Amino acid sequence: DSGVTQTPKHLITATGQRVTLRCSPRSGDLSVYWYQQSLDQGLQFLIQYYNGEERAKGNILERFSAQQFPDLHSELNLSSLELGDSALYFCASSASGGVTDEQFFGPGTRLTVL
Amino acid sequence: GQQVMQIPQYQHVQEGEDFTTYCNSSTTLSNIQWYKQRPGGHPVFLIQLVKSGEVKKQKRLTFQFGEAKKNSSLHITATQTTDVGTYFCAGPHNAGNMLTFGGGTRLMVKP
Repeated sequence: DSGVTQTPKHLITATGQRVTLRCSPRSGDLSVYWYQQSLDQGLQFLIQYYNGEERAKGNILERFSAQQFPDLHSELNLSSLELGDSALYFCASSASGGVTDEQFFGPGTRLTVL
Repeated sequence: GQQVMQIPQYQHVQEGEDFTTYCNSSTTLSNIQWYKQRPGGHPVFLIQLVKSGEVKKQKRLTFQFGEAKKNSSLHITATQTTDVGTYFCAGPHNAGNMLTFGGGTRLMVKP
């Protein structure tokens, strides 16, 4: 158990819909990262937050947005969903958000878009 | 932009055989991390290498960072079924404060 929690575990929805994925970081960690992993694919970095502020942005679509709240939990919002958005979405956290930080991954949310 | 490439993409070995995965970057890396993801699981941090030519060992796993800090390898001696999973390397993206993950090497071990 990494200490990072993600809800829901599974999500099934239809094209065009909007969903919100939630992540609570490990106690004491200030930085949260979001990754997308499609079937048998690598980890695509989406976005990183540090103490409520956006710190780095990867290949995140305009239809996707995220935020980190004052209690440090984070939400990833996916809108106008397409079939290709079906994937495993991981949240990770680290202490200070630096590139030498060990990242602790949550169990993931499996999104299926029908 | 910077890319981190891993080879091979897949590897089947017989239990007891050795296994090596290679990670190559198009740019010099300040550090490199390795993660393991078991089937159905999430990535778990294994190790970080920082120094040129660094070699670190964890039981049967040996990690190396190249002299030019542009490549790295993970070698597993005498694989076991518990080694099954996908091994990812990750290095800092030269444009900012994020890690770029390689595509991973999926290891399958036949008992």
